[in-house]
Order: sequence, then structure tokens, then C-alpha cells
Amino acid sequence: QVQLVESGGGLVKPGGSLRLSCAASGFTFSDYYMSWIRQAPGKGLEWVSYISSSGSTIYYADSVKGRFTISRDNAKNSLYLQMNSLRAEDTAVYYCATTYYDYVSLDWYFDLWGRGTLVTVSS
Amino acid sequence: EIVLTQSPGTLSLSPGERATLSCRASQSVSSSYLAWYQQKPGQAPRLLIYGASSRATGIPDRFSGSGSGTDFTLTISRLEPEDFAVYYCQQYGSSSWTFGQGTKVEIK
Repeated sequence: QVQLVESGGGLVKPGGSLRLSCAASGFTFSDYYMSWIRQAPGKGLEWVSYISSSGSTIYYADSVKGRFTISRDNAKNSLYLQMNSLRAEDTAVYYCATTYYDYVSLDWYFDLWGRGTLVTVSS
Repeated sequence: EIVLTQSPGTLSLSPGERATLSCRASQSVSSSYLAWYQQKPGQAPRLLIYGASSRATGIPDRFSGSGSGTDFTLTISRLEPEDFAVYYCQQYGSSSWTFGQGTKVEIK
């Protein structure tokens, strides 16, 4: 079954750290670019970070740059997000998603999403 | 950063009616970089449309996308009960992705 399953969310105090994981199954994880996208309670979607299939190319949203680190372990079919110096505004459901790029049509989109893991930053 | 503005914020319609959702970009966006997603309460977003007008696998043909440059449209030709949800547009540019704020399609 093709799926992504996030884990690692929870309650953390401001200034604290948390590491999210995303386990992929049912497809060749190492072939896919991946992203983290978050959604604050009752709000819209915000892209957080991207990593290429080999891990050689990484992008971050300005809101998390310098605080969050994305990584992957293709041998373990897993994606990670290390979150440091957490703030109240980082409170959100964090989704991992495959990030598809079509080299012919040049289309970019997020096609497979996990169900998300909730991160709450509060004292 | 390209800002996407969706309108209206909420669309109140009855099943069987046509829904027209707008997504306007603050500067020109390549059609290849424009996608639409549907999100139901408590669920992850689902890809509907990519490349501005291509339906994703398994998406019914009542969903269609159109537009170019700064103006894009998602049309649902005849609303089914399962179509009442929030819809987001998304674009890629300059090594980042942005989403519109969403349009909620609710039952009238």
C-alpha cells in the first residue's frame, strides 16, 4: 500500500526541539523528492521545506530557515524534520508529501500526502 | 515571493450547481507550476489539478482547471455531496512553494 506516515509530534515548550519522522512504504522512496508542509489550527497550508531524492538539494521557507533541518535516509525509507528553537507560531499539523517534478511538462506538485502529525508549542 | 489570492473566501451552493473558484497571483506564474488541492475536515489535502489544467489520477471529470499568467480557475461542473470542502491553489517559484488562503465550498 502506497503511503506516508508521520510521527514525532507532541507538546513542546517555546525554545525546545522536536524531530519529526515520515515513513514511506509501497513505492521506491529513493526516487522521490520530498517536502514538509504545515497547517496551523484553522488556517491554510504553508510549505516548510524540500529535499531532493539524493538529499543534495534542500530549500527552506524563510519562516523556518536556520531553525529547522530536513534530511532523509533512503535506506530506511524515511524523511525527517529536526525542529529547534520552536515558537508558538510553529504550532501546526505537519504533513510530509512527495514532491513531483515532470521533466517534460515542467509541472511541480505535491501528489502523495501523509495524514500529518500535530506539533504544539506552548508553555 | 508570489502571493496567491483566492476568491471568494466562502462559496455557498447547492448540490448539482456549478462552482467557480478563482486564484489570482501577484505576478505571472507558469501554468506548469499551478496546482489545486481539496481538503476535507480532519484529512490531508488531495491533489486535484496540476499544470493548471491536468486532472490527477482518479479525479472525476466534473473538476476542471483553466487559466494562465496571473488568473487561474477551478471549476466543479455539478457539485456532488462529497465535493463540499476547502480548496487551495498552489504555485512553485524561486525554490519555494506558496498556497492561496483557500476557498470553502459549503452547502447552501
